[in-house]
Amino acid sequence: GENVEQHPSTLSVQEGDSAVIKCTYSDSASNYFPWYKQELGKRPQLIIDIRSNVGEKKDQRIAVTLNKTAKHFSLHITETQPEDSAVYFCAALNTGFQKLVFGTGTRLLVSP
Amino acid sequence: KAGVTQTPRYLIKTRGQQVTLSCSPISGHRSVSWYQQTPGQGLQFLFEYFSETQRNKGNFPGRFSGRQFSNSRSEMNVSTLELGDSALYLCASSLAQGAGGYTFGSGTRLTVV
Repeated sequence: GENVEQHPSTLSVQEGDSAVIKCTYSDSASNYFPWYKQELGKRPQLIIDIRSNVGEKKDQRIAVTLNKTAKHFSLHITETQPEDSAVYFCAALNTGFQKLVFGTGTRLLVSP
Repeated sequence: KAGVTQTPRYLIKTRGQQVTLSCSPISGHRSVSWYQQTPGQGLQFLFEYFSETQRNKGNFPGRFSGRQFSNSRSEMNVSTLELGDSALYLCASSLAQGAGGYTFGSGTRLTVV
């Protein structure tokens, strides 16, 4: 079945450093790739998404890249801040099946 | 505009009981999906509804069911509760099938004792 692998499971960086989280998906028909940020005790919040007809998308300090050939996509956070500390989930959607498959999450800790 | 509203926020039930959770999507959103979140299994897809029809279902037993009403509000039901059903149940709404942009509610924290 569909599967999304996410690495690393935990990531510790110093404030101001960059953070990169990587995901690989198995369903070649996946065409929508969102990233969610979930703070402790709160709901997942969509922070950025990308569709399969685009290779890269940027929104201020965050960017997502997609390599369809390798079935790989990544989240890049630059100039990290303590408030970026949270669990980040990647996901892949085959819009034909309407099933959002999530990665296992990355706990990001940004130390001041 | 109002976000996705889930009720109740917290629920404690006993094994063997059943429970119904409610989800009101963002106004104008017609697709509602449900997910189970646990520390061990992460976010697992339960089912997705659009125009009152279940469009897809995850790998959960038949004890888990749901429905969607004409106003797009959705309910999910879990019968014969087991300890392992303890989880955060999240619903997400989207404008339509394939539209992406899923917005999550705050979830219902279900504890089965």
